[in-house]
Amino acid sequence: GQQVMQIPQYQHVQEGEDFTTYCNSSTTLSNIQWYKQRPGGHPVFLIQLVKSGEVKKQKRLTFQFGEAKKNSSLHITATQTTDVGTYFCAGYSSASKIIFGSGTRLSIRP
Amino acid sequence: EAGVAQSPRYKIIEKRQSVAFWCNPISGHATLYWYQQILGQGPKLLIQFQNNGVVDDSQLPKDRFSAERLKGVDSTLKIQPAKLEDSAVYLCASSLGLRAGLTDTQYFGPGTRLTVL
Repeated sequence: GQQVMQIPQYQHVQEGEDFTTYCNSSTTLSNIQWYKQRPGGHPVFLIQLVKSGEVKKQKRLTFQFGEAKKNSSLHITATQTTDVGTYFCAGYSSASKIIFGSGTRLSIRP
Repeated sequence: EAGVAQSPRYKIIEKRQSVAFWCNPISGHATLYWYQQILGQGPKLLIQFQNNGVVDDSQLPKDRFSAERLKGVDSTLKIQPAKLEDSAVYLCASSLGLRAGLTDTQYFGPGTRLTVL
């Protein structure tokens, strides 16, 4: 069955350093969404990518969708303490089935 | 705009007992999702409704889990009987669901934390 893997599982960075999480699907995706979950909170939608090779930016966050639509990445430039949380990708198959990745937990040293 | 409401927020039961969770989606949202999130893992879709019809329940353990959305608005998820491995946060989410086959933003509720002893 379809699988969505995310790496790394954890990342601990110094405030101001960059952070990247990668999402890889075993099958081609129709689109992918990214969510952020703060500790003790619920997932909050960040962005959706639909087109092959698409790149979107939100302030310090850059999202990419691979050319083959099987992988995606989220890059945060110059992390801040407010970026702490777990970042999930959610891949959608052509049949609109949803699979969330296992998440990357980001912690930051002030 | 009010968000997705869920109750209860916390529930502790013993194994083999029954439990039910309630979700009220954002007004006007046609699509409703129930997820199970085990500690340290990503949300796992249990069931997806479009209005009061089931779109996907392929990962719902139907021998013990059931869900309904009778009037196409609020929904209940039931576990009967509960097992230790059911301990998790149960998240409800909703989306506009404007057209079949399209994906749109999911808005999550605060979740119900279930502990099975």
